[in-house]
Amino acid sequence: GENVEQHPSTLSVQEGDSAVIKCTYSDSASNYFPWYKQELGKRPQLIIDIRSNVGEKKDQRIAVTLNKTAKHFSLHITETQPEDSAVYFCAASNSQGAQKLVFGQGTRLTINP
Amino acid sequence: GAVVSQHPSRVICKSGTSVKIECRSLDFQATTMFWYRQFPKQSLMLMATSNEGSKATYEQGVEKDKFLINHASLTLSTLTVTSAHPEDSSFYICSASLGGGFYEQFFGPGTRLTVL
Repeated sequence: GENVEQHPSTLSVQEGDSAVIKCTYSDSASNYFPWYKQELGKRPQLIIDIRSNVGEKKDQRIAVTLNKTAKHFSLHITETQPEDSAVYFCAASNSQGAQKLVFGQGTRLTINP
Repeated sequence: GAVVSQHPSRVICKSGTSVKIECRSLDFQATTMFWYRQFPKQSLMLMATSNEGSKATYEQGVEKDKFLINHASLTLSTLTVTSAHPEDSSFYICSASLGGGFYEQFFGPGTRLTVL
């Protein structure tokens, strides 16, 4: 089955700097890669996603890149703000199959003012 | 649109009792619903996938007789934790999918279960 590895587990950056979180996946059949932001005790919130037919997607300060050959994808947050502090999860799924999401281990991002 | 609710938001029960958690898609019909469990400071782990009108598919290591899932309609799935024990204490989250080529899953707000 699919296995998703996420790094780093914790990340601390100065406000205004950029943050990058990386994930690798194992199943070449996976074709959907969402990123979620989760605050303590809350539901995961989709912040951006990418499908396998696209190499990069951007939404304001957030971007995701996908390298299908290497089976890795990354989240980039620019001009970080204190409210970006949260736990971020990557995930992978195969939309042609059971559409199960397999999550990475999570990254606790702290933005220091 | 695409709102998913869960009830209750938190529950405390005694060891050995059963607890039912409801997951509803409020403004769409969900062909598939998923149940996840999240222990403190850990990731979401898929427990089972349920499709309306059919038996749930459980992930390896998840006891189907302990975690009963019923998906009776396109807008409601229930998870019953039977004979709950302290180690079942966790954050349970459901999600719902439109299916049919729609990739996104919509998550409920979660249920915090504490077993004493």
